[in-house]
Amino acid sequence: DAGVIQSPRHEVTEMGQEVTLRCKPISGHDYLFWYRQTMMRGLELLIYFNNNVPIDDSGMPEDRFSAKMPNASFSTLKIQPSEPRDSAVYFCASSLALRGGRPYFGPGTRLTVL
Amino acid sequence: EDKVVQSPLSLVVHEGDTVTLNCSYEVTNFRSLLWYKQEKKAPTFLFMLTSSGIEKKSGRLSSILDKKELFSILNITATQTGDSAIYLCAVEAYNAGNMLTFGGGTRLMVKP
Repeated sequence: DAGVIQSPRHEVTEMGQEVTLRCKPISGHDYLFWYRQTMMRGLELLIYFNNNVPIDDSGMPEDRFSAKMPNASFSTLKIQPSEPRDSAVYFCASSLALRGGRPYFGPGTRLTVL
Repeated sequence: EDKVVQSPLSLVVHEGDTVTLNCSYEVTNFRSLLWYKQEKKAPTFLFMLTSSGIEKKSGRLSSILDKKELFSILNITATQTGDSAIYLCAVEAYNAGNMLTFGGGTRLMVKP
């Protein structure tokens, strides 16, 4: 299995632009997570899905952030409009809905908003 | 609110030293505690702990959980420069799906 796939790996954009991050979870995994990592705040959960349904989005910082999972093999995290404080590494992770199923992380997308 | 605190924040040692990393937690309906290693990329899984007092071991790394005192330690013996990384601790609760709450991490640097 190729593991969790994220694209792009690096994104540099200007303030105000729309940014879309993409994730393909491991086939057969029921849960998908979006995390953001910064030096100041560490690794934070933004939102997670179970069977393509958003379960908890309380970590999404504000309305500029939105996430979708139209099917079991694809999810997007969109920031519109982007701001410099959104600069971070965004990780997608997926896991099985089994007792103790641990998340497998993708390689991350490093976002820089100028 | 679930909370995970790791200490120390950072640590510098020399090759061959033994290090102990700490993770304390407050979580409702605790299910498991996980340790991850993060180098210049995504976190990679090390251990999952669910029972108190049972040591998990993988090579020079070992970890143990104390559910009464609500903490875990990660030990690395005979450290090598390749052990330099951020070590992350995370906890999972029964009523939270597979959602994890992460600590802030310990940054370990091993000097030659």
